[in-house]
Amino acid sequence: GAGVSQTPSNKVTEKGKYVELRCDPISGHTALYWYRQSLGQGPEFLIYFQGTGAADDSGLPNDRFFAVRPEGSVSTLKIQRTERGDSAVYLCASSRGQGRHEQYFGPGTRLTVT
Amino acid sequence: GENVEQHPSTLSVQEGDSAVIKCTYSDSASNYFPWYKQELGKRPQLIIDIRSNVGEKKDQRIAVTLNKTAKHFSLHITETQPEDSAVYFCAAGYSTLTFGKGTMLLVSP
Repeated sequence: GAGVSQTPSNKVTEKGKYVELRCDPISGHTALYWYRQSLGQGPEFLIYFQGTGAADDSGLPNDRFFAVRPEGSVSTLKIQRTERGDSAVYLCASSRGQGRHEQYFGPGTRLTVT
Repeated sequence: GENVEQHPSTLSVQEGDSAVIKCTYSDSASNYFPWYKQELGKRPQLIIDIRSNVGEKKDQRIAVTLNKTAKHFSLHITETQPEDSAVYFCAAGYSTLTFGKGTMLLVSP
């Protein structure tokens, strides 16, 4: 079946602007994760959804970052007042949940803040 | 929170040799330890994983070992091939994962 998809693949924005990044998980996967990956680093956890609710948002760096998953499927990561330090690849992953931990990643959105 | 250390940061081997990448973790509550392979510009791909009730798992040329007492786990790749060249990440956790910084593996023909 289809894997995790993310749009857009690339996003260039100016400092101070608002951006939205979208993730479409594997069908039937109840758990969804957002990570951020900087060059030469491993993925860094941001937030985890189980169904519609954020089960763990401890990785969000500050209150400029917010994510939603209103119907338990597609999720949107929202970044307000973007800063140059927000530039990174934003990865989304999904898993079956309910004790099945295997996470499958999307291709990522490369965000560049100029 | 969890802290994962990964070594080495780079590893160069000749085709046919074995490669070993090692990770340590800090949180004894972690019970799931996956390994991902990431090629340049691509998404991380899950290649093997192990759970805390198992000490070793093998899948063709790759194997993973886990020592819960010492809090370390390792990836072993045998008979390496040039297409194994990539960055490999270990991770530890339960529902959320903490990743190591990665190992760039280069397999020379």
